[in-house]
Amino acid sequence: DGGITQSPKYLFRKEGQNVTLSCEQNLNHDAMYWYRQDPGQGLRLIYYSQIVNDFQKGDIAEGYSVSREKKESFPLTVTSAQKNPTAFYLCASSIGQTYTGELFFGEGSRLTVL
Amino acid sequence: GQSLEQPSEVTAVEGAIVQINCTYQTSGFYGLSWYQQHDGGAPTFLSYNALDGLEETGRFSSFLSRSDSYGYLLLQELQMKDSASYFCAVRDRGGSYIPTFGRGTSLIVHP
Repeated sequence: DGGITQSPKYLFRKEGQNVTLSCEQNLNHDAMYWYRQDPGQGLRLIYYSQIVNDFQKGDIAEGYSVSREKKESFPLTVTSAQKNPTAFYLCASSIGQTYTGELFFGEGSRLTVL
Repeated sequence: GQSLEQPSEVTAVEGAIVQINCTYQTSGFYGLSWYQQHDGGAPTFLSYNALDGLEETGRFSSFLSRSDSYGYLLLQELQMKDSASYFCAVRDRGGSYIPTFGRGTSLIVHP
C-alpha cells in the first residue's frame, strides 16, 4: 500500500543534541512538507520541497534543516538552535500543483526534550 | 499575512447535526480545505471548496462564501467516531499550493 512513513514515532532528546526525523513516501509525489503541531496552535509549516534538490523555508524554519536528495525522502533535522523543540512533527506529501492541494500525512513523530 | 478563526471546541450528541465555522483573512485565496485528525493521529483530507456553495460528501458537507471570507463544515448523523479535531486550511500561496491551517476545532460527540 502506498503511503508516508515517519520514524521514529517517539523520540527523546537531551538539550543541545541534534536529532533527525525520517520521512519516506512511496506515493510518487513531487512535493513534501514538514509541519509542527503544538496543542491549540494547529499545524505550522517548517519547510517544504516541491522538487528533488530544492526546498524552501516555511513560517517557522529557524532551528531546523532539511534535505531532499531523493524524491521519496525528506528528512528533518531538529538542531540545538531550536529553542523549544518539544512537539508533534508531521510530514506530508502532495502530487504537486493539484487542484485541491490535498496533503497526505504520515502518522507523526513526537519529540520530547528532556 | 494570513489568519484563520475557528471555535476551539464544539460538543454535540450522537445523531445530531453540527456546524464548524471558519473565517479567514488572507492576502490571496485559492481554496478552503477541511481536515480531520483523531488524537495522536495523522490529519486526513475531508473536502475542498474553491468556489462559492455547498459540496457534499456523504455525511459531511462543506460550504464556502468568498465574499464573506467564510466557510463551514457540516457533519450530519453524528457518530462517536466523529469525535476528533477538525482543521480548516486556506491555500493562499498561489504558486506553491500550500495550505495554511487554522488552530483546529475539537469536536466532542456524546452518547
